[in-house]
Amino acid sequence: DAKTTQPPSMDCAEGRAANLPCNHSTISGNEYVYWYRQIHSQGPQYIIHGLKNNETNEMASLIITEDRKSSTLILPHATLRDTAVYYCIVSPDGGATNKLIFGTGTLLAVQP
Amino acid sequence: NAGVMQNPRHLVRRRGQEARLRCSPMKGHSHVYWYRQLPEEGLKFMVYLQKENIIDESGMPKERFSAEFPKEGPSILRIQQVVRGDSAAYFCASSTQRSTEAFFGQGTRLTVV
Repeated sequence: DAKTTQPPSMDCAEGRAANLPCNHSTISGNEYVYWYRQIHSQGPQYIIHGLKNNETNEMASLIITEDRKSSTLILPHATLRDTAVYYCIVSPDGGATNKLIFGTGTLLAVQP
Repeated sequence: NAGVMQNPRHLVRRRGQEARLRCSPMKGHSHVYWYRQLPEEGLKFMVYLQKENIIDESGMPKERFSAEFPKEGPSILRIQQVVRGDSAAYFCASSTQRSTEAFFGQGTRLTVV
């Protein structure tokens, strides 16, 4: 019962920007958007999260629409090591829990 | 600062045996979460624990599964009388109380034969 919708797969050329979309039309006012990724057979890795402002860190940028019903994760210069399943998760913050509801995610394949 | 440590990485059990999976959270983390990933499926939340307390076990199967996080030592996920359907990767994550991210271990891959 994930609250997000993502395309099942995407391709990206190495060195180009990868833009991964996510729809979360039922998001509530206090719910954050989180992005995690899972490289094959490894544990998930936190990427970034945001509430309503755009966010940037050393890994990626997160663009959230003004109505907060969708967002885009941007990997500015994709490398082969970025090939992974990317999960967009809507999760209440408050810090007391990191109970995450994973959907099926987007399999990003970075091509050489 | 070691990350979340899970052991064993691989565990093989015969049907009917018990499986014990251990998770040592990151230093300073008092919150532990267990997730299960069945083959070709996404991760499913199982249980959320703080030291000596189960906070949310809404994802735990009603029978044969239990979890603990004692005052001293690692968190343990225990599966009694394992069946083939329990074969999966089990991931543990930890966080601080006010953390905005969870740190995951590398998982334990349980195979029931």
